[in-house]
Amino acid sequence: AQSVTQPDIHITVSEGASLELRCNYSYGATPYLFWYVQSPGQGLQLLLKYFSGDTLVQGIKGFEAEFKRSQSSFNLRKPSVHWSDAAEYFCAMNSGYSTLTFGKGTMLLVSP
Amino acid sequence: DGGITQSPKYLFRKEGQNVTLSCEQNLNHDAMYWYRQDPGQGLRLIYYSQIVNDFQKGDIAEGYSVSREKKESFPLTVTSAQKNPTAFYLCASSTDRVGDQPQHFGDGTRLSIL
Repeated sequence: AQSVTQPDIHITVSEGASLELRCNYSYGATPYLFWYVQSPGQGLQLLLKYFSGDTLVQGIKGFEAEFKRSQSSFNLRKPSVHWSDAAEYFCAMNSGYSTLTFGKGTMLLVSP
Repeated sequence: DGGITQSPKYLFRKEGQNVTLSCEQNLNHDAMYWYRQDPGQGLRLIYYSQIVNDFQKGDIAEGYSVSREKKESFPLTVTSAQKNPTAFYLCASSTDRVGDQPQHFGDGTRLSIL
C-alpha cells in the first residue's frame, strides 16, 4: 500500500538554527513528491515539488528538499529558521493517479 | 487574483441536519478535491472530481455527498449520516488528472456540532 510517513510529530528549533524535517514514502516506483506548509486555521501552501531530474530541489521561503531513492526519503531542509517558519509541514505523494497521499504532518516550533 | 474560495469559514450543524460547504475556483482547473483534516491525522480525501458531472469517492466518503455541475464549483454536503462531522474541511484544485501538478488549496471551513 502507498503511504507517507513523517516520523516527527513535533520539532522545536532555535531561531537561526538549521532545520531538517523527515519524510519517507512507500511506493514501488518514483512518485511525485511535495512539501506543503500550513499556518493555523489556514489552507496549505506549496513549498516545493519533485518530479524527476536533479534530486535537490529548491522551493520558496529558502526551503530545499533532497530526494533519495535508496532511502525512499524526501527530507525538507532550511539552513536558518525564522520565527515566522513556525507552522505545520506536510509531505505528500502522488503516484500518478491525481490523488495525493499525505503524511500526518510535523509541527515546527521555533524558540527565541 | 485567481484562487479557491471556501465559504463559510465557520459552520455549525445541529444533530440530524445536512449542511453544505461551498468551494469555488477561478483557476480554470479541471480537477477538484475535498479533504477532511483532524488533529494529528493529516489530510484524508473525501471526494474528488476530474471533470464536470463526474466524481469519485476518496478514502472516507461515507456520510458525505458532492456534485460537480460547473467547472468552477464543487460543493460538499455533510449529511446526517456522518456521525462525527466536527473537523476542518479543505478544498483543493489542480490543472491535471495525472498528478504531476500541485494542488492549490482554499483556506478551509471549520465545521462544529451544536
